Amino acid sequence: DAGVTQSPTHLIKTRGQQVTLRCSPKSGHDTVSWYQQALGQGPQFIFQYYEEEERQRGNFPDRFSGHQFPNYSSELNVNALLLGDSALYLCASIYGTSTDTQYFGPGTRLTVL
Amino acid sequence: GENVEQHPSTLSVQEGDSAVIKCTYSDSASNYFPWYKQELGKRPQLIIDIRSNVGEKKDQRIAVTLNKTAKHFSLHITETQPEDSAVYFCAASSTGRRALTFGSGTRLQVQP
Repeated sequence: DAGVTQSPTHLIKTRGQQVTLRCSPKSGHDTVSWYQQALGQGPQFIFQYYEEEERQRGNFPDRFSGHQFPNYSSELNVNALLLGDSALYLCASIYGTSTDTQYFGPGTRLTVL
Repeated sequence: GENVEQHPSTLSVQEGDSAVIKCTYSDSASNYFPWYKQELGKRPQLIIDIRSNVGEKKDQRIAVTLNKTAKHFSLHITETQPEDSAVYFCAASSTGRRALTFGSGTRLQVQP
């Protein structure tokens, strides 16, 4: 049973560029949440997707957008990258609508130069 | 929105001793409280969780307690081992929203 997977593992971009990160949830899980974890801090909630729609959103600007596909996989897009966007981006998958347990992927380390 | 505070930020114990990490939350609607362990360069791993209808939960050397009235919950690790060394995060969320709000983390170091 495959766990949550993310790609790529590492990414280096320059300011102003755009980036797309990908997440495949745990088998059977239909909800995906994205989190940003700056160095030395706890993860911060970006948004959550269920049934291909954004259901919840944290305090992040519109430069952060996402998408969920019919197979439940998800993408996180960040436009007009800033130095402060450098972080570990984690996705977490959840099974159904009545459970709370979230399983995290290994993350994508984004460095903005 | 929810705010979760976590203490201490660092904790050093001798192997075999107990470790306690404490968190407080602000939103009375929060009813789910997981704890994650994150080793350097790895993903957060769920180690134990508790829901608001339960006051205490144990899993071998790990236990979590919840005081809804005071809005605080704690992680207890007994008989610590060097492999327990990691950063531990508490978190809170509410049914329906399921957006975890994390504490700032506790770096636990277990000295052999």
